[in-house]
Amino acid sequence: SQELEQSPQSLIVQEGKNLTINCTSSKTLYGLYWYKQKYGEGLIFLMMLQKGGEEKSHEKITAKLDEKKQQSSLHITASQPSHAGIYLCGAPTNAGGTSYGKLTFGQGTILTVHP
Amino acid sequence: GAVVSQHPSWVICKSGTSVKIECRSLDFQATTMFWYRQFPKQSLMLMATSNEGSKATYEQGVEKDKFLINHASLTLSTLTVTSAHPEDSSFYICSAWRLEAFFGQGTRLTVV
Repeated sequence: SQELEQSPQSLIVQEGKNLTINCTSSKTLYGLYWYKQKYGEGLIFLMMLQKGGEEKSHEKITAKLDEKKQQSSLHITASQPSHAGIYLCGAPTNAGGTSYGKLTFGQGTILTVHP
Repeated sequence: GAVVSQHPSWVICKSGTSVKIECRSLDFQATTMFWYRQFPKQSLMLMATSNEGSKATYEQGVEKDKFLINHASLTLSTLTVTSAHPEDSSFYICSAWRLEAFFGQGTRLTVV
């Protein structure tokens, strides 16, 4: 079965600093999702990557999927306290069809941003 | 974007009772929905795939008789935790697929 390994497991940074979270798969990814979660709340969709070498940005967050489609990184520039939360990467376990929505998740990265 | 609504957001129940959690796709039809469970400080684990009009598909290690799933319409899937015990206390979250996975806001279940 596919496994996603996230690193680091937790991260504490000072406001204004840049940071990177990595997500590595044991198998080639059909796609890769990044979500943000406040503890005990739902998931906030950040970005979806599907093609090898793809890079997407939204505000201060940039996500990349490597050419081999086995590793993704999430980079936050000039972090703010509002960026704090749990970041999860998730990947479809199937190539297509409605079961494409069936995701396996990494263990999450807890981000703390000190003002 | 598409919206998935989950209800209730939190529930406290007594040990031995059953609890029903609803997952609705508000502006699209979802033939397939997914139920996940998240324990404190852990990631989301897929419990089962809910299929409209047919039986749910459960992941290995998930008790079918414990977690009853019903997907009676194209916009509603329900998860019933039967004879709940304290170890069933967890965060349950559903998702539905429409070009991307949309998640409900989750339900925090506490069994006392």
